[in-house]
Amino acid sequence: KQEVTQIPAALSVPEGENLVLNCSFTDSAIYNLQWFRQDPGKGLTSLLLIQSSQREQTSGRLNASLDKSSGRSTLYIAASQPGDSATYLCAVRPGSSNTGKLIFGQGTTLQVKP
Amino acid sequence: DAGVTQSPTHLIKTRGQQVTLRCSPKSGHDTVSWYQQALGQGPQFIFQYYEEEERQRGNFPDRFSGHQFPNYSSELNVNALLLGDSALYLCASSSRQRGIQYFGAGTRLSVL
Repeated sequence: KQEVTQIPAALSVPEGENLVLNCSFTDSAIYNLQWFRQDPGKGLTSLLLIQSSQREQTSGRLNASLDKSSGRSTLYIAASQPGDSATYLCAVRPGSSNTGKLIFGQGTTLQVKP
Repeated sequence: DAGVTQSPTHLIKTRGQQVTLRCSPKSGHDTVSWYQQALGQGPQFIFQYYEEEERQRGNFPDRFSGHQFPNYSSELNVNALLLGDSALYLCASSSRQRGIQYFGAGTRLSVL
């Protein structure tokens, strides 16, 4: 059974700091892995999607890496800003197809202090 | 181009009642997935609909049922509501071809 774990559960950093969020999964048989952002009481916004054959993806100040064999992904946020404060969720799509469910971690709640 | 829209935004029900949540997918999408997100937790997969049929189901009781209409919109029905059903219910749509799921803003259900 695939399980996704995110550490830490919460993180508070001063503005400008670089930071890393961690995601681990128990079964390496995944189709892709996705990082989402969720603002309080809101839906999910996709940040980055990494296919199982890829090692990393970058978008602006965000960089996500994937090590499928070790069951780990990291989301690196450079030069953090107060507007980055939100909950970050990672999700894996199990199996070999681009359809089907996503399995989510419990999220890391980030607070960036001015 | 409207994204995924869900209605209502908020809903308050009492134990034992029934509720229906609605989702309109993003234009061009034919697949709808539903997730339940309890406070402080990650979303949990309920089920997925494609071509008006339930294609995949998570670990949820039969009290949770759904429907997809010919225009690809979908409903989530929950019968005999329990206090533990209080959560944010998220709908995600995707195209069968690409598979990337786009999420709506959710419906906040409170069961008293």
